Amino acid sequence: DSGVTQTPKHLITATGQRVTLRCSPRSGDLSVYWYQQSLDQGLQFLIQYYNGEERAKGNILERFSAQQFPDLHSELNLSSLELGDSALYFCASSAPGTGDRAFFGQGTRLTVV
Amino acid sequence: EDQVTQSPEALRLQEGESSSLNCSYTVSGLRGLFWYRQDPGKGPEFLFTLYSAGEEKEKERLKATLTKKESFLHITAPKPEDSATYLCAVQIFGGYQKVTFGTGTKLQVIP
Repeated sequence: DSGVTQTPKHLITATGQRVTLRCSPRSGDLSVYWYQQSLDQGLQFLIQYYNGEERAKGNILERFSAQQFPDLHSELNLSSLELGDSALYFCASSAPGTGDRAFFGQGTRLTVV
Repeated sequence: EDQVTQSPEALRLQEGESSSLNCSYTVSGLRGLFWYRQDPGKGPEFLFTLYSAGEEKEKERLKATLTKKESFLHITAPKPEDSATYLCAVQIFGGYQKVTFGTGTKLQVIP
Protein backbone atom coordinates (compact mmCIF):
# COMPACT_ATOMS: atom_id res chain seq x y z
CA ASP A 1 0.00 0.00 0.00
CA SER A 2 1.56 3.28 -1.19
CA GLY A 3 -0.56 5.46 1.09
CA VAL A 4 -2.13 7.27 -1.88
CA THR A 5 -5.88 6.71 -2.13
CA GLN A 6 -7.87 7.10 -5.30
CA THR A 7 -11.62 6.88 -5.67
CA PRO A 8 -13.52 5.45 -7.36
CA LYS A 9 -11.59 2.39 -8.55
CA HIS A 10 -13.82 1.91 -11.56
CA LEU A 11 -16.10 4.29 -13.42
CA ILE A 12 -18.29 3.64 -16.42
CA THR A 13 -19.99 6.59 -18.03
CA ALA A 14 -21.45 7.70 -21.35
CA THR A 15 -19.96 9.99 -23.95
CA GLY A 16 -20.59 13.66 -23.29
CA GLN A 17 -20.76 13.21 -19.53
CA ARG A 18 -18.61 14.73 -16.81
CA VAL A 19 -16.83 12.84 -14.03
CA THR A 20 -14.66 13.70 -11.04
CA LEU A 21 -11.78 11.56 -9.86
CA ARG A 22 -10.50 12.02 -6.34
CA CYS A 23 -7.05 11.56 -4.84
CA SER A 24 -5.83 11.70 -1.25
CA PRO A 25 -2.04 11.97 -1.09
CA ARG A 26 0.22 10.36 1.49
CA SER A 27 0.33 12.15 4.80
CA GLY A 28 2.89 14.95 4.60
CA ASP A 29 3.18 14.99 0.81
CA LEU A 30 2.57 18.39 -0.72
CA SER A 31 2.85 17.50 -4.42
CA VAL A 32 0.12 15.72 -6.33
CA TYR A 33 0.50 14.53 -9.90
CA TRP A 34 -2.10 13.21 -12.32
CA TYR A 35 -1.29 10.78 -15.12
CA GLN A 36 -3.29 9.08 -17.85
CA GLN A 37 -2.36 5.58 -19.03
CA SER A 38 -3.99 4.17 -22.15
CA LEU A 39 -3.55 0.63 -23.44
CA ASP A 40 -1.33 1.67 -26.30
CA GLN A 41 0.52 4.49 -24.59
CA GLY A 42 2.74 4.95 -21.60
CA LEU A 43 2.00 7.13 -18.66
CA GLN A 44 1.15 10.60 -19.88
CA PHE A 45 1.76 13.40 -17.42
CA LEU A 46 -1.27 15.64 -17.09
CA ILE A 47 -0.69 18.12 -14.30
CA GLN A 48 1.10 18.71 -11.00
CA TYR A 49 0.00 20.67 -7.95
CA TYR A 50 2.16 21.72 -5.05
CA ASN A 51 0.52 22.84 -1.83
CA GLY A 52 -2.59 24.01 -3.60
CA GLU A 53 -0.96 25.72 -6.56
CA GLU A 54 -0.51 24.46 -10.10
CA ARG A 55 3.18 23.68 -10.59
CA ALA A 56 3.51 22.01 -13.98
CA LYS A 57 1.26 21.18 -16.89
CA GLY A 58 1.64 18.39 -19.39
CA ASN A 59 -0.58 17.24 -22.23
CA ILE A 60 -3.82 17.97 -20.45
CA LEU A 61 -6.84 18.61 -22.65
CA GLU A 62 -8.89 21.75 -22.19
CA ARG A 63 -11.86 19.51 -21.32
CA PHE A 64 -9.89 18.35 -18.27
CA SER A 65 -9.20 20.38 -15.16
CA ALA A 66 -7.81 19.73 -11.72
CA GLN A 67 -7.41 21.38 -8.38
CA GLN A 68 -5.78 20.74 -5.04
CA PHE A 69 -7.70 21.73 -1.95
CA PRO A 70 -6.43 23.17 1.36
CA ASP A 71 -6.45 19.70 2.92
CA LEU A 72 -4.19 18.67 0.00
CA HIS A 73 -6.55 16.21 -1.60
CA SER A 74 -6.96 16.68 -5.32
CA GLU A 75 -9.68 16.22 -7.87
CA LEU A 76 -9.43 15.69 -11.61
CA ASN A 77 -12.49 16.76 -13.56
CA LEU A 78 -13.08 15.30 -17.00
CA SER A 79 -15.89 16.76 -19.09
CA SER A 80 -17.50 16.21 -22.50
CA LEU A 81 -16.11 12.71 -22.34
CA GLU A 82 -15.15 10.88 -25.51
CA LEU A 83 -14.51 7.20 -26.16
CA GLY A 84 -10.80 7.97 -26.40
CA ASP A 85 -10.74 9.19 -22.80
CA SER A 86 -11.12 5.62 -21.60
CA ALA A 87 -7.95 4.90 -19.66
CA LEU A 88 -6.40 4.35 -16.27
CA TYR A 89 -5.96 7.61 -14.39
CA PHE A 90 -3.27 7.61 -11.74
CA CYS A 91 -2.59 10.05 -9.00
CA ALA A 92 0.82 10.22 -7.36
CA SER A 93 2.21 12.24 -4.50
CA SER A 94 5.65 13.21 -3.29
CA ALA A 95 7.16 14.93 -0.31
CA PRO A 96 9.28 18.09 -0.31
CA GLY A 97 12.98 17.44 -0.66
CA THR A 98 12.64 13.88 -1.93
CA GLY A 99 13.59 14.62 -5.51
CA ASP A 100 10.01 14.12 -6.58
CA ARG A 101 10.17 10.38 -5.86
CA ALA A 102 6.51 9.71 -6.39
CA PHE A 103 4.18 7.22 -4.76
CA PHE A 104 1.31 6.15 -6.98
CA GLY A 105 -2.24 5.23 -6.11
CA GLN A 106 -3.98 2.19 -7.52
CA GLY A 107 -5.66 4.21 -10.22
CA THR A 108 -9.18 4.84 -11.45
CA ARG A 109 -10.20 2.86 -14.51
CA LEU A 110 -12.49 5.03 -16.60
CA THR A 111 -14.57 3.44 -19.32
CA VAL A 112 -16.52 5.73 -21.64
CA VAL A 113 -19.28 3.97 -23.58
CA GLU B 1 10.98 17.75 -27.32
CA ASP B 2 11.95 15.45 -24.45
CA GLN B 3 12.01 11.81 -25.45
CA VAL B 4 12.37 8.58 -23.52
CA THR B 5 12.73 5.28 -25.38
CA GLN B 6 12.78 1.91 -23.69
CA SER B 7 13.96 -1.33 -25.22
CA PRO B 8 13.12 -4.06 -25.68
CA GLU B 9 9.33 -3.67 -25.54
CA ALA B 10 9.04 -7.17 -24.15
CA LEU B 11 11.54 -9.63 -22.73
CA ARG B 12 11.11 -13.25 -21.80
CA LEU B 13 13.74 -14.82 -19.55
CA GLN B 14 14.23 -18.18 -17.95
CA GLU B 15 14.54 -18.07 -14.19
CA GLY B 16 18.17 -17.31 -13.36
CA GLU B 17 18.96 -15.86 -16.81
CA SER B 18 20.41 -12.37 -16.24
CA SER B 19 19.73 -9.52 -18.67
CA SER B 20 19.49 -5.74 -19.01
CA LEU B 21 16.75 -3.31 -19.91
CA ASN B 22 17.61 -0.08 -21.69
CA CYS B 23 16.26 3.44 -21.34
CA SER B 24 17.65 6.05 -23.71
CA TYR B 25 16.70 9.69 -23.32
CA THR B 26 16.96 12.98 -25.13
CA VAL B 27 16.26 15.86 -22.80
CA SER B 28 17.43 19.39 -22.27
CA GLY B 29 18.95 19.26 -18.82
CA LEU B 30 18.36 16.05 -16.88
CA ARG B 31 17.39 16.60 -13.27
CA GLY B 32 16.77 12.95 -12.45
CA LEU B 33 16.00 9.57 -14.00
CA PHE B 34 13.56 7.23 -12.29
CA TRP B 35 12.88 3.52 -12.57
CA TYR B 36 9.49 2.12 -11.57
CA ARG B 37 7.97 -1.33 -11.59
CA GLN B 38 4.31 -1.76 -12.56
CA ASP B 39 2.23 -4.88 -12.03
CA PRO B 40 -0.92 -5.37 -14.14
CA GLY B 41 -3.79 -3.15 -12.98
CA LYS B 42 -1.65 -1.51 -10.30
CA GLY B 43 0.09 1.81 -9.92
CA PRO B 44 3.82 2.08 -10.59
CA GLU B 45 6.09 1.29 -7.65
CA PHE B 46 9.23 3.36 -7.19
CA LEU B 47 12.56 1.55 -7.54
CA PHE B 48 15.42 4.04 -8.05
CA THR B 49 16.38 7.62 -8.77
CA LEU B 50 19.65 8.43 -10.55
CA TYR B 51 20.93 11.98 -10.83
CA SER B 52 24.31 11.99 -12.55
CA ALA B 53 26.30 9.99 -15.08
CA GLY B 54 28.24 7.18 -13.46
CA GLU B 55 25.78 6.78 -10.61
CA GLU B 56 24.62 3.25 -9.70
CA LYS B 57 21.89 2.03 -7.36
CA GLU B 58 21.11 -1.54 -6.28
CA LYS B 59 18.17 -3.29 -4.72
CA GLU B 60 18.07 -7.06 -4.37
CA ARG B 61 18.46 -8.48 -7.91
CA LEU B 62 18.18 -5.09 -9.60
CA LYS B 63 20.93 -2.63 -10.41
CA ALA B 64 20.40 0.67 -12.22
CA THR B 65 23.15 2.63 -13.95
CA LEU B 66 23.20 5.98 -15.71
CA THR B 67 25.25 7.50 -18.52
CA LYS B 68 24.77 10.84 -20.27
CA LYS B 69 22.39 9.34 -22.81
CA GLU B 70 20.93 6.19 -21.32
CA SER B 71 20.21 4.12 -18.29
CA PHE B 72 20.30 0.37 -17.81
CA LEU B 73 18.37 -1.77 -15.41
CA HIS B 74 20.34 -4.97 -14.88
CA ILE B 75 18.46 -7.96 -13.53
CA THR B 76 20.64 -10.67 -12.03
CA ALA B 77 19.33 -14.22 -11.69
CA PRO B 78 15.68 -13.13 -12.01
CA LYS B 79 12.81 -14.98 -10.35
CA PRO B 80 9.21 -15.32 -11.57
CA GLU B 81 8.13 -12.65 -9.07
CA ASP B 82 10.27 -10.15 -10.98
CA SER B 83 7.78 -10.39 -13.86
CA ALA B 84 6.31 -6.92 -14.37
CA THR B 85 6.53 -3.90 -16.63
CA TYR B 86 9.54 -1.72 -15.85
CA LEU B 87 9.13 1.97 -16.54
CA CYS B 88 11.79 4.60 -16.94
CA ALA B 89 11.04 8.30 -16.46
CA VAL B 90 13.04 11.50 -16.74
CA GLN B 91 12.65 14.82 -15.03
CA ILE B 92 14.20 17.98 -16.43
CA PHE B 93 15.28 21.31 -15.04
CA GLY B 94 13.82 24.50 -16.37
CA GLY B 95 11.16 26.32 -14.45
CA TYR B 96 8.92 23.32 -13.96
CA GLN B 97 9.40 19.69 -13.13
CA LYS B 98 7.51 17.70 -15.71
CA VAL B 99 8.17 13.97 -15.64
CA THR B 100 8.22 12.08 -18.93
CA PHE B 101 7.74 8.31 -18.89
CA GLY B 102 8.84 5.73 -21.43
CA THR B 103 6.39 3.09 -22.60
CA GLY B 104 8.08 0.38 -20.55
CA THR B 105 9.60 -3.06 -20.94
CA LYS B 106 7.32 -5.95 -20.13
CA LEU B 107 9.41 -8.62 -18.44
CA GLN B 108 8.28 -12.20 -18.09
CA VAL B 109 10.40 -14.62 -16.08
CA ILE B 110 9.58 -18.27 -16.67
CA PRO B 111 10.21 -20.89 -13.96
